[in-house]
Amino acid sequence: GDSVTQMEGPVTLSEEAFLTINCTYTATGYPSLFWYVQYPGEGLQLLLKATKADDKGSNKGFEATYRKETTSFHLEKGSVQVSDSAVYFCATRGTSYDKVIFGPGTSLSVIP
Amino acid sequence: DSGVTQTPKHLITATGQRVTLRCSPRSGDLSVYWYQQSLDQGLQFLIQYYNGEERAKGNILERFSAQQFPDLHSELNLSSLELGDSALYFCASSAVGDTQYFGPGTRLTVL
Repeated sequence: GDSVTQMEGPVTLSEEAFLTINCTYTATGYPSLFWYVQYPGEGLQLLLKATKADDKGSNKGFEATYRKETTSFHLEKGSVQVSDSAVYFCATRGTSYDKVIFGPGTSLSVIP
Repeated sequence: DSGVTQTPKHLITATGQRVTLRCSPRSGDLSVYWYQQSLDQGLQFLIQYYNGEERAKGNILERFSAQQFPDLHSELNLSSLELGDSALYFCASSAVGDTQYFGPGTRLTVL
């Protein structure tokens, strides 16, 4: 079945550092790919998404490119802020159903 | 604000009891999903409803059940509660084939 693998962390970075969180997926066909973010004490929020190969999703300085050849959707940000401290979830949704499969989440802490 | 509302925000109960969690989807969304988030299991899909009908089932225990009403709100019923059922329960909604938007969650504590 479909699955998502991502680095589990926790990841600790200094403010203004470069962030990469790796995500790879297993799915048939051409799934949609998502990054969700969960801030402390809150629900999941959609951060960005991509629906076809080579699409780049971007939001709030975060970017991820849908790479079908490597089945990856790595999340990047050039300069993280303390306010980016949260748990980040990579997810995939297949083309034949609505169920979303989430990765285990990566906890990010950004220190001043 | 995602537009998805969940009540209650917190729930504390005892083992063996039964609770009901409520979710109101975004206006116009016909699909509702329930997820359980716990420290050891991560985010687990439980069940999906579409316009009142069950559409997909995930790792939902037989002690748990859900329904979606004609006004599209949904309820998740958890019975014979065990300590291990303590978790965050999220509801999400979407239009067909569209992005899922999550509610703020209900934190269930079973003592």
